[in-house]
Amino acid sequence: DSGVTQTPKHLITATGQRVTLRCSPRSGDLSVYWYQQSLDQGLQFLIQYYNGEERAKGNILERFSAQQFPDLHSELNLSSLELGDSALYFCASSAQGAFWETQYFGPGTRLLVL
Amino acid sequence: SQQGEEDPQALSIQEGENATMNCSYKTSINNLQWYRQNSGRGLVHLILIRSNEREKHSGRLRVTLDTSKKSSSLLITASRAADTASYFCATANIIQGAQKLVFGQGTRLTINP
Repeated sequence: DSGVTQTPKHLITATGQRVTLRCSPRSGDLSVYWYQQSLDQGLQFLIQYYNGEERAKGNILERFSAQQFPDLHSELNLSSLELGDSALYFCASSAQGAFWETQYFGPGTRLLVL
Repeated sequence: SQQGEEDPQALSIQEGENATMNCSYKTSINNLQWYRQNSGRGLVHLILIRSNEREKHSGRLRVTLDTSKKSSSLLITASRAADTASYFCATANIIQGAQKLVFGQGTRLTINP
């Protein structure tokens, strides 16, 4: 158990809908990362937050947004969902958000868009 | 494109044999990390090797790093069925001014009993 929690574990929704994925980092970690993993694209970095502020952006679509709250939990919002958004979404956390740090991954949310 | 490229993409061996996976990368790095992922689960950090280190051990794992060849290898000795998983290398570097940990596509390892 990494100490990172993600909810929900599974999500099934329809195209055009909006969903919110939630992540709680390990106790004491200030930085949260979001990744998308699909069969054809592999593990893609989406976005990173550190202590409530956006720190780095990866291949995140404009339809997607995220935030980190004062209690350090984070939410990833996916809107106008398309079939191709079906994937595993992982949250990871690290202590200080430095790029050389070990990241601790949550169990993931499996999103299926029908 | 991904910074790290694992080789082979898939590897199937008998229990008890050693498994070697390779990772190549393109730019200079701060460190290189190996992660493991059981099917559909989150990634688990295995080992980190810094750019000034050449070899590191952790239990049955041995990682080497050759910065001149921009490559790393992960050796799992005396493999067990429970080692069946996908293994990813991740390079910590600065790409286009942004500090990132970039994951490769992974090697899918199957240990046959």
